[in-house]
Amino acid sequence: QSVLTQPPSVSGAPGQGVSISCTGSSSNLGAGYDVHWYQHFPGRAPRLLISRNTDRPSGVADRFSGSKSGTSASLAITGLQAGDEADYYCQSYDFSLRDHVFGTGTKVTVL
Amino acid sequence: QITLKESGPTLVKPTQTLTLTCTVSGLSVTTSGGGVGWIRQPPGKALEWLGHTYWDDDERYSPSLKNRVTITKDTSKNQVVLKMSNMDPVDTATYYCAHANLEVAGSDHFDYWGQGTLVTVSA
Repeated sequence: QSVLTQPPSVSGAPGQGVSISCTGSSSNLGAGYDVHWYQHFPGRAPRLLISRNTDRPSGVADRFSGSKSGTSASLAITGLQAGDEADYYCQSYDFSLRDHVFGTGTKVTVL
Repeated sequence: QITLKESGPTLVKPTQTLTLTCTVSGLSVTTSGGGVGWIRQPPGKALEWLGHTYWDDDERYSPSLKNRVTITKDTSKNQVVLKMSNMDPVDTATYYCAHANLEVAGSDHFDYWGQGTLVTVSA
């Protein structure tokens, strides 16, 4: 059971925006550890989307943005495209578990 | 171009030891501030970190798997090897290796990933 909780699914129409939450606790996000986000198309290599809460690696569209506050973080996708249909995971560190932890994952569906 | 590729058996028997190799191209496994980690994903479940090795040979493992997992480097081949002992059907998963960005303490993350290899544990 992951200590980072995400909604199982979110959906939106093409062109709209969606937001994916990542809820942690005082031993991970609330302790100041950074959150990172990955995009994963089944059968393919996961891709780093956002690092250190808000940083977009080179090549990632500015339609993707991250934020973090207290024990929660969010990934926002604007201008939704069919190619954004994938699974999205948050990741951080938990000092109580001494473990790098991933979120439960969120499937984004473009209607 | 940085690429990682996992190789190894697709089927192992219960109680056997799994050995997977990650071959890294475009980046040295000894480059300061980096490392190589292993992450797995059981079918229909979330990603799970197993451990990673640092550029300076330090190692970190998931506490829940620490007694079963060993990660070593072969710098001559620019490869990283995962060994997991006493395999069980619940260990059936896609196993990924990934380059770990370890530049900032408390901010470890994985910036390049392999495509993964599905390992099934069955008699």
